[in-house]
Amino acid sequence: EPEVTQTPSHQVTQMGQEVILRCVPISNHLYFYWYRQILGQKVEFLVSFYNNEISEKSEIFDDQFSVERPDGSNFTLKIRSTKLEDSAMYFCASRTSGNYEQYFGPGTRLTVT
Amino acid sequence: GQQVMQIPQYQHVQEGEDFTTYCNSSTTLSNIQWYKQRPGGHPVFLIQLVKSGEVKKQKRLTFQFGEAKKNSSLHITATQTTDVGTYFCVGSGGSNYKLTFGKGTLLTVNP
Repeated sequence: EPEVTQTPSHQVTQMGQEVILRCVPISNHLYFYWYRQILGQKVEFLVSFYNNEISEKSEIFDDQFSVERPDGSNFTLKIRSTKLEDSAMYFCASRTSGNYEQYFGPGTRLTVT
Repeated sequence: GQQVMQIPQYQHVQEGEDFTTYCNSSTTLSNIQWYKQRPGGHPVFLIQLVKSGEVKKQKRLTFQFGEAKKNSSLHITATQTTDVGTYFCVGSGGSNYKLTFGKGTLLTVNP
C-alpha cells in the first residue's frame, strides 16, 4: 500500500539554525499539508499546498517557515531560524482530489537546543 | 476546519470492555473524520462520515453521525490492547479541507 514518507525521522539542531524537513507524498496525490504536534499536545495545522502554491496557512506559519515542491516527488518544510519552541513532531500529509481522507507520514521529530 | 469538542479526554478500560467516545459541534458539520494515533505514532485515518444519521462499521468499531450532523460517536466493542491510542474526531472544511484536531480521547486498555 502506498504511503507518505518523511526524512529524517529525528533532527537535532541548535537555535538559530535552518532546518529542512522532507516529505515524499503518495504519488498521485495533489494536496499536501504540514502539521505539527508539540509533545503532549494536539495536532496543529501549519500549511496546505496545492498546484505549486500555498493555499492556506495558519498563524503559526510565519515568515520563518516556507514550503516547496522542488520536483515531482518531494515536498519540503523549511524553518529559517529555529527557536526552542519549534521543537515538535512535524507531520506531512497528502490526499487526492475529491477525497477528504488525508494520509500522514511517520513524522520528523525536531529538537531545537 | 470545524472545531469539535470530544469527551471523555481519557478512558481506561479492562480488556473486553466496551468503549465509546463522543463528539459535539455547535455548528452543522459537512463531514467528520475519525483518526487514531498510537502512542509515538502518527494519525491514521479510520473513517469519514458524510450523511445525516450515517452508521458505519469496521469490525468491532461502530461510527455514527447524528441526524443533525452536529455530533458523532465511536464505539468499540470488546476492547483489545491493540485498541490503545488517542482517537480524534476531526472536522474538515474550507476549500483546502485542512483538518482541525481537538484533544481527542486517549484510550488505555488493561490486559
